Formats: sequence, C-alpha cells, structure tokens
Amino acid sequence: AQTVTQSQPEMSVQEAETVTLSCTYDTSESDYYLFWYKQPPSRQMILVIRQEAYKQQNATENRFSVNFQKAAKSFSLKISDSQLGDAAMYFCASLSGSARQLTFGSGTQLTVLP
Amino acid sequence: GAGVSQSPSNKVTEKGKDVELRCDPISGHTALYWYRQSLGQGLEFLIYFQGNSAPDKSGLPSDRFSAERTGGSVSTLTIQRTQQEDSAVYLCASSNTEAFFGQGTRLTVV
Repeated sequence: AQTVTQSQPEMSVQEAETVTLSCTYDTSESDYYLFWYKQPPSRQMILVIRQEAYKQQNATENRFSVNFQKAAKSFSLKISDSQLGDAAMYFCASLSGSARQLTFGSGTQLTVLP
Repeated sequence: GAGVSQSPSNKVTEKGKDVELRCDPISGHTALYWYRQSLGQGLEFLIYFQGNSAPDKSGLPSDRFSAERTGGSVSTLTIQRTQQEDSAVYLCASSNTEAFFGQGTRLTVV
C-alpha cells in the first residue's frame, strides 16, 4: 500500500517570493512516479510536474521545481517568483509502477499575497 | 477527444433517487480512476480500473455505489438510493503514467 502525507494544510507567500510545499510518501514499489497537481477554484485538476523514481535529477518546469530525496521519501515542490495565479490547492500524488495505484495527499492550500 | 470528459457537469437529484455519472477517458489510457471530493477537502479514492484486471473497489463507501467500464473505455459510476451525504464533486481520471482529470460532476442531493 502507498501513503502520501502533506503536513501543511495551508501556506502563504508574498507575490514574487519563493515557497516550498512539503510532501512525504511511502511505497514498497521500486518503480513509481510522483506528481504535484494544482486545483484552482475552478476544481480542474492540473498536472504541475512529474518525477520518475528512477531518475536522480530533480524535475523542473519553468518556475516549478522539485526536491526529490528518494532515501528520505520526500518530494517537495518549490515555486519561484510566485504569481497571483499560483493560488490554489496543491496535491502531491504517487503512482505505483505495477498496479497503477494512484494515491493523493490531503492537499496544501496556497495563498499568494499581493 | 483530447482530454477526459465527464457528464453531466452538475446534477441535482432528490434523496432516494439513483444517479449515473459518466466518464470518457483519453483514448489508449489503460487506467481509469474515480475520486470523490467534498467541499474544501482532499480526494477520496473510490475505484479504479486497470486494463483487463479486476477493478479495485476498495474505496467504495457502501454497496449503493458501483461502477463499470465498458470495452476498456467509457466508465459509469452509479449511486443508488442517493443520500445527502453523497453530495460532492466526483472526479474521474485516466492514466498511462501521469493521470489526467476531467472537470468533475458536482452532485447535489436535496
């Protein structure tokens, strides 16, 4: 079984500043993927970034990057130069390679302050 | 279509009625997931289908909930004898690796 834990129910950041959202996970699989999803008030779930477990290099997508610490089972999301449009609920998720079980954390509500 | 499509977008039903929610996944995606999300809450896993394997129904909250996936494509989530606590947004996703979500169906039981 997989578990994903997000220990920060709410976070806030000043516009143009940097914020890091935390996520830890647990899995017995050796092959898995990790994701961060963004859910704005429109409720549409949007994939922000993905990381394959076998890759040591941290994934980066423009202002979004991850710090993937495989041994510690940690997968944090860093948002640089925060924008008002980044305000949303952010979910961390893991997908097992074999059974394709997709597990989500409880989410972090991010507020961006102008 | 290019993305995951769910219908209807919104559904209001009377307590005790049955409802069917539909999900059209991305063509070629082998995995399909249903989640439930109450207002301001996280995603509650309901059921998932992976290829021709038996579905994982471990998240279904009661026997009033059922789902099927026909021909490895379209899926229908059925809720029988709806209760007010069933009111939520029901999200569907399909995946090969990363999961792509539909826009959800907001179900309101009155």
